[in-house]
Amino acid sequence: GQNIDQPTEMTATEGAIVQINCTYQTSGFNGLFWYQQHAGEAPTFLSYNVLDGLEEKGRFSSFLSRSKGYSYLLLKELQMKDSASYLCAAKDSNYQLIWGAGTKLIIKP
Amino acid sequence: ETGVTQTPRHLVMGMTNKKSLKCEQHLGHNAMYWYKQSAKKPLELMFVYNFKEQTENNSVPSRFSPECPNSSHLFLHLHTLQPEDSALYLCASSQTTGTGSTEAFFGQGTRLTVV
Repeated sequence: GQNIDQPTEMTATEGAIVQINCTYQTSGFNGLFWYQQHAGEAPTFLSYNVLDGLEEKGRFSSFLSRSKGYSYLLLKELQMKDSASYLCAAKDSNYQLIWGAGTKLIIKP
Repeated sequence: ETGVTQTPRHLVMGMTNKKSLKCEQHLGHNAMYWYKQSAKKPLELMFVYNFKEQTENNSVPSRFSPECPNSSHLFLHLHTLQPEDSALYLCASSQTTGTGSTEAFFGQGTRLTVV
């Protein structure tokens, strides 16, 4: 079957760095997405990786290893507004998105 | 503001009621989706429309009935729902390309409570 695994919840300190991991098992692979979702709001697109390596976008970076079925989202210089759920989703051979349950990130002062 | 608007934001309905959720996208996309989001569970894809044609129905009970009158509007008609149908219902849109589709843009969702 197809599956996405990510931690349910993580806690980090304001100003620090946090890495949210995601492992995936899909029938074929056509890229991996990260979304951010604040409570009561729409998920918003953060990043897309289809090739191995690190994609940096400001304070957020996303890494992909296709051979390991693994990705992570790296958040630097954490701010209180980064408290949210982070959703990992992989696109399978039919271009369907397979979603993880999300990682709730709690930022403490 | 994501360019995808859902109404209503909140809905409480009885098990014998009939109601509809509405979604409108202003992005010129050709694909629209309904997702169900329950607490601590992955997003569940319910329906997919490409160019107004339904291309995906993930074994959704018939008490959920989608309608896509044009590529900018999507409805989800609800009738005789069960309490376990209480969840956040998200609409999304994307642009279908030759190699799949672009990232999805989501609406803020309708928080549905079935009593």
